[in-house]
Amino acid sequence: GQQVMQIPQYQHVQEGEDFTTYCNSSTTLSNIQWYKQRPGGHPVFLIQLVKSGEVKKQKRLTFQFGEAKKNSSLHITATQTTDVGTYFCAGSEENFGNEKLTFGTGTRLTIIP
Amino acid sequence: ETGVTQTPRHLVMGMTNKKSLKCEQHLGHNAMYWYKQSAKKPLELMFVYSLEERVENNSVPSRFSPECPNSSHLFLHLHTLQPEDSALYLCASSQWGAGELFFGEGSRLTVL
Repeated sequence: GQQVMQIPQYQHVQEGEDFTTYCNSSTTLSNIQWYKQRPGGHPVFLIQLVKSGEVKKQKRLTFQFGEAKKNSSLHITATQTTDVGTYFCAGSEENFGNEKLTFGTGTRLTIIP
Repeated sequence: ETGVTQTPRHLVMGMTNKKSLKCEQHLGHNAMYWYKQSAKKPLELMFVYSLEERVENNSVPSRFSPECPNSSHLFLHLHTLQPEDSALYLCASSQWGAGELFFGEGSRLTVL
């Protein structure tokens, strides 16, 4: 079945440093979604990318969808303590929607003040 | 306030008990989901319902029994669980197809 891997599993950064997490799928995706889960919280939707090579920005966050639609990345510029949490990517296989949404393994970000 | 409410938030049960988790969404969505989140695994999709009909069952053991009486309510009935079933159970809703999932705050289940 479809597998979605994320690296790194953990990332510790000094406040103000940049952070990147990478997401790789074993199959071509119809779309990729990103979620953030704060410690003790539930996943919260950040963004969805649909087109090959798509790049979207939300303030200090930049999301990319690979040309082959099998990988994606999330980059945070100048991290802040509010960025702490686990970031998940989630993708559906081609021709499928959320009924076959597979979540990645997640990257847990901690910030050193 | 996420628009998706789960009860109870915490549940401790023995292996012979029968209990149920409840989820209610106030967002007018037509699809609801149960996910399992355990410490060493990624979020696992358990069940998907569209307009009260089960669409997907990802090979979940029969000791987990879902029920969707209408598009706003979703239950997960639990019986004769195992300690390895201890996890955070998350309910989510969305419009059918692709697009944002709205998660509830989860029900933390401990099986003794």
